Amino acid sequence: QVQLVQSGAEVRKPGASVKVSCKPSGYTFTDYYMHWVRQAPGQGLEWMGWINPKSGGTNYAQKFQGRVTMTSDTSISTAYMELSRLRFDDTAVYYCARWYCSSTSCSEDYWGLGTLVTVSS
Amino acid sequence: DIQMTQSPSSVSASVGDRVTITCRASQFISSWLAWYQQKPGKAPKLLIYAASSLQSGVPSRFSGSGSGTDFTLTISSLQPDDFATYYCQQAHSFPLTFGGGTKVEIK
Repeated sequence: QVQLVQSGAEVRKPGASVKVSCKPSGYTFTDYYMHWVRQAPGQGLEWMGWINPKSGGTNYAQKFQGRVTMTSDTSISTAYMELSRLRFDDTAVYYCARWYCSSTSCSEDYWGLGTLVTVSS
Repeated sequence: DIQMTQSPSSVSASVGDRVTITCRASQFISSWLAWYQQKPGKAPKLLIYAASSLQSGVPSRFSGSGSGTDFTLTISSLQPDDFATYYCQQAHSFPLTFGGGTKVEIK
């Protein structure tokens, strides 16, 4: 069965960086793009971007351009999302999600459990 | 960016009720729409993809309809496990965008 295991909760000060990992199992890592989505406390879902684990190609939401870096290490089948210059409003749960596409649609069909990142002075 | 507008933002319903949630896209997205269910403290779960296709393992009381700009998620007979927040998401173009969510609460 497909599972996405994320790294544990993090606490950072404003201005610092955080790197969250996501290690899937149950499928071939390089066969599917990986998306990152975040959710601030009590708020809705916000898409951040994707990485193609095979090529390393990325596509980031404009809001996060210049602050986010998504990478992958195919040798250990792990995807990473690094967010820099953290602000208080970056406090959120960060999810990785597999991007599955058929001939007629795409969706985020499997999700990690989430990683809470708290930005606090 | 494509804006997704969900309504209502919350609904109170009883077990056995029929519940309908709507989602409107700010531009044409064909059938590139998904619905997710999220329970408190949990990750979202895919319910419906391609506007009307039921994800494997999802109960048949959930159904989706619509195309173009207007979409609907229907729960035919609300069960205790269905009390959650529901989100629509357009998958037509990047950046992907979600609706604001609809919280289904116990009446």
